[in-house]
Order: sequence, then structure tokens, then C-alpha cells
Amino acid sequence: NAGVMQNPRHLVRRRGQEARLRCSPMKGHSHVYWYRQLPEEGLKFMVYLQKENIIDESGMPKERFSAEFPKEGPSILRIQQVVRGDSAAYFCASSPSGGSYEQYFGPGTRLTVT
Amino acid sequence: SQQGEEDPQALSIQEGENATMNCSYKTSINNLQWYRQNSGRGLVHLILIRSNEREKHSGRLRVTLDTSKKSSSLLITASRAADTASYFCACTGATGGYQKVTFGIGTKLQVIP
Repeated sequence: NAGVMQNPRHLVRRRGQEARLRCSPMKGHSHVYWYRQLPEEGLKFMVYLQKENIIDESGMPKERFSAEFPKEGPSILRIQQVVRGDSAAYFCASSPSGGSYEQYFGPGTRLTVT
Repeated sequence: SQQGEEDPQALSIQEGENATMNCSYKTSINNLQWYRQNSGRGLVHLILIRSNEREKHSGRLRVTLDTSKKSSSLLITASRAADTASYFCACTGATGGYQKVTFGIGTKLQVIP
């Protein structure tokens, strides 16, 4: 049973470009969460999605950031017009149902904006 | 906010010693989880303890929960160099329905061989 998969593992973008981060949840999991981790800090919640629905996006910046989890295919976190402050590790987690169940994390995508 | 706060922020011990990390939170929780993160890697789930549980064991790990003090502790016995990592507590709220998991900033544990 493959774990949560994220790609790419490392992504380098110049300021102003777009970054697309992909997450495939564990088999049988229909809930996906995105977190951002700055160096030497804990994880900050960004967004919680179920298939074709955004359940909670209270942690998402209001501009430039968007997320989707289509009926088919991986969840995508999209960052438009990246800035240096977007440099961070972005983790995706999945769970079989929302709320109280433990979340299973992917290895993360490390985004560097130059 | 039910954000967990770990204490200490960093801990350095000799191999074979026990390591204790603490987590405090502010509001009622449904459950509390501990995760480990090796440098540059994703998080690995260690243990989940529900609000009606007081203690839980998994191998060399022992987790306690004191809801009256809104605190939890993670004890790693007979530590090994491979235990070197950051440890995070994560709280899930108790108000029913969906409650997002909130992570603390972590305790960085170094086990010296």
C-alpha cells in the first residue's frame, strides 16, 4: 500500500513564476490536507479538501494561492507569481475521514524561489 | 486556538537515557497526536491518544494525557541515535464535526551516541 506521494520533491522557481505541487493520497483516503513549514518552524495548516470540494481554506493566503482535489487525479496546490517568502516545505497529508483520524504525511515538496 | 506548544524546544541527551517532551494546549481536545520528523523529511505518525485515555504505550514510547492540566508528555525510553529528530504534538478540537489538526513548533531532540 503506497503512502502519500508528492511531486516534485524539490522545485526551484524564479520570482513571478507559477509553482504547481501535486499530492496523491493513500489508497482509500478521500481527505487531503496541505501544510506549509518554514525553516525551524512547525507546520501551518493551509487547506483541507475532499474530492471536488474545499472544506476549509482558512489557512490559505487570500491571493496567489489555490488548491483543488479533482474527481480524478492528484490534489494540486498552485502558487501564482511566487515571491521569495513562498520558499518553504509544503506537506500534504491524507486521512480516511476528516477531523479526528491520524493523518498520513507525504515526504513534502521543497520550494525555493530565487 | 487549541495549538499545542512543545517544551523544551531543544533537548540533547546521551544514548540510553530517557527523553521527555511536553505539550500544552489551550482548549478542549478530541485527541492529541505525536509525530516525528527527521531532518528534511516528512512527518511520521507515532501515537494518538484520545481525550478519555490517560496513558498509551507503543514500543519504547509512552504518552500521557492530563486533560485537567491541558498537557501531554511523550517519553522515549532507552534512547538511540536514530531517535534524533524533531517531535511535534498535534491537537484536534472537541467541538464535533470537522476540526483541523493544529501543530506545535516542535521539540528538537538530539541523541548523542
